[in-house]
Amino acid sequence: SAVISQKPSRDICQRGTSLTIQCQVDSQVTMMFWYRQQPGQSLTLIATANQGSEATYESGFVIDKFPISRPNLTFSTLTVSNMSPEDSSIYLCSVEVSAGKYNEQFFGPGTRLTVL
Amino acid sequence: GEDVEQSLFLSVREGDSSVINCTYTDSSSTYLYWYKQEPGAGLQLLTYIFSNMDMKQDQRLTVLLNKKDKHLSLRIADTQTGDSAIYFCASFSYNTDKLIFGTGTRLQVFP
Repeated sequence: SAVISQKPSRDICQRGTSLTIQCQVDSQVTMMFWYRQQPGQSLTLIATANQGSEATYESGFVIDKFPISRPNLTFSTLTVSNMSPEDSSIYLCSVEVSAGKYNEQFFGPGTRLTVL
Repeated sequence: GEDVEQSLFLSVREGDSSVINCTYTDSSSTYLYWYKQEPGAGLQLLTYIFSNMDMKQDQRLTVLLNKKDKHLSLRIADTQTGDSAIYFCASFSYNTDKLIFGTGTRLQVFP
C-alpha cells in the first residue's frame, strides 16, 4: 500500500490568485495522478505527473492553468492558476502501486479548495 | 468514450444488506474497483475484481461481476451506520491506461 499526504487540506482563496497543492508519498512510485472532484460530482483525471518530464494532461486541462511538478518519485505539486469560483473543488493526488498481477490506485485525503 | 454509471442514492436500515450497482461500457476493462469516500475524506480502496472472475468475497463485502452485461455490484452484509458514505465504482482499461470513475452512490444507513 501507499500512504499519501496532501497540503493544504483546505483553503479559501480569492479570485485571480494561485494555489499550489503538495502531495507526498511514503514510498517511491512511478505513477502519480491528479484528480478533481467538483461538488457532488465524480472524479475527473486532470493529468499524470511524470518524473523528470512534463505532465500528461487530459482533454480539457492545460498546463498553463494546472502546472504540475514532479521532482522525484515521492513528491508532486499541482498549481491551480488564476483561480475562479468554477475551480472550487476537491483536488486529489493518487498513486498507482503494483500488487502482483494487478495495480492498486491509492488516493490522498484531498485538498478542498473554495474560490470566492 | 468510456462511461461508468451508478444510481445516485441508496437508503437502508441498519442490519440489512445493501446492494450498490454499477454498469460500465468499456469491454476491455480488466479490473473493476470499489472505493469508499466518507464525508470530508479522500477515497479508500475497498475491493477489486479481475474481469475473469464473477464473484469475490471479502468479509462483509461481496462483489459480483456480469461481464456479458457489463454489470458490477457491491453487496454489504449487515450494513452499519459507519458504512454511510459515497461508494464509487471504477473501471481500469489497459487500452486507455486510465481509471474511469462512476458518479458515486450515496449510501445512507438509518437505525
